[in-house]
Amino acid sequence: DTEVTQTPKHLVMGMTNKKSLKCEQHMGHRAMYWYKQKAKKPPELMFVYSYEKLSINESVPSRFSPECPNSSLLNLHLHALQPEDSALYLCASSQADRRADTQYFGPGTRLTVL
Amino acid sequence: DQQVKQNSPSLSVQEGRISILNCDYTNSMFDYFLWYKKYPAEGPTFLISISSIKDKNEDGRFTVFLNKSAKHLSLHIVPSQPGDSAVYFCAASRNSGNTPLVFGKGTRLSVIA
Repeated sequence: DTEVTQTPKHLVMGMTNKKSLKCEQHMGHRAMYWYKQKAKKPPELMFVYSYEKLSINESVPSRFSPECPNSSLLNLHLHALQPEDSALYLCASSQADRRADTQYFGPGTRLTVL
Repeated sequence: DQQVKQNSPSLSVQEGRISILNCDYTNSMFDYFLWYKKYPAEGPTFLISISSIKDKNEDGRFTVFLNKSAKHLSLHIVPSQPGDSAVYFCAASRNSGNTPLVFGKGTRLSVIA
């Protein structure tokens, strides 16, 4: 089973709203990732969690706040977003051991900021 | 500076023929390479990977070739099927746990029946 699930599938929010994206995997992976993908562009890394600790933050604005409550769950809290933040938000996970690591992606959350 | 380049934004191939998607990289520290397939509004699906200690990896209709001296890899799909029509991303990383993947811009493959 190489499934990563993400909810919601679609989200529309105003610039003053607070919302959260959720990601879950039950593959025993210890690294989880958030990516942002705009149309016709490759995925751009936002955050990496390794063993439930934030290990990489790619200079993401503070209006995006990640959280890893346990090894299976990853959240992305959104507050005061801008219309240009509209994108497909992808979660991925990998084993996070010392070997070369394949990342498995979820289906994404399509976010529209009005 | 783009470290992973897919210079062909699109490719059209007839059903049953071979599709060859190319990828070049500039960072000599990369030693693990992956191909992902992506349909619109879905997440990328892992297809096949190759470590730098190999020059070829095969999985069914998909074969990835790596030429380290040229910093070039390619994905061969044979025979191509209409369901293979998607965007294919090449990605690279260093061979250690949870290092970020660096993606190319993708190549849109259209397989014509």
